[in-house]
Amino acid sequence: SQKIEQNSEALNIQEGKTATLTCNYTNYSPAYLQWYRQDPGRGPVFLLLIRENEKEKRKERLKVTFDTTLKQSLFHITASQPADSATYLCALEDGGFKTIFGAGTRLFVKA
Amino acid sequence: DVKVTQSSRYLVKRTGEKVFLECVQDMDHENMFWYRQDPGLGLRLIYFSYDVKMKEKGDIPEGYSVSREKKERFSLILESASTNQTSMYLCASSLLAGGPANTGELFFGEGSRLTVL
Repeated sequence: SQKIEQNSEALNIQEGKTATLTCNYTNYSPAYLQWYRQDPGRGPVFLLLIRENEKEKRKERLKVTFDTTLKQSLFHITASQPADSATYLCALEDGGFKTIFGAGTRLFVKA
Repeated sequence: DVKVTQSSRYLVKRTGEKVFLECVQDMDHENMFWYRQDPGLGLRLIYFSYDVKMKEKGDIPEGYSVSREKKERFSLILESASTNQTSMYLCASSLLAGGPANTGELFFGEGSRLTVL
């Protein structure tokens, strides 16, 4: 079955640095991959989508890369701020209408 | 502003009780989903629906059922609640798949935290 792996350990970085989160998947060739942000006690919020024919996508301080050979996506937050502290979830469409999620990586940005 | 509303933020139920979790979306979306979220396991899909009266099993449907009588409403039912169903339940909706402009974005509700004693 399809599997998505994200680093379960929390990532701690200093304000102003670039945060890089990793998403690896197996047994699937998704047409696109999504990233969501989730704050404690809240539902996830969509951030970015990157399609299989796109190597890189940017949105303000966010950058996502997608390597279909490595089956990996990297999510970068440049010039990170304490307000970026949250859990970031990687997701892909498992064929048809189903979207499956990784367990997420918790990011802490220290001032 | 788009919105997915879940009926209860917090519920406490007893083992064996029948539990209804309600979800309403105001975006005229075709797809609706129910996930549960547990620490270390992430979001796991319970059921989804791509049309009124249609339903499909997700990865963990055992112990759950769903109902979609109207396009905007998708209900999750625990026929006989058990302690291992204590979890955060998240409802989401999205447009029907297809088209270059469709990002497949899921819109989530705020979640319903269910405790079964």
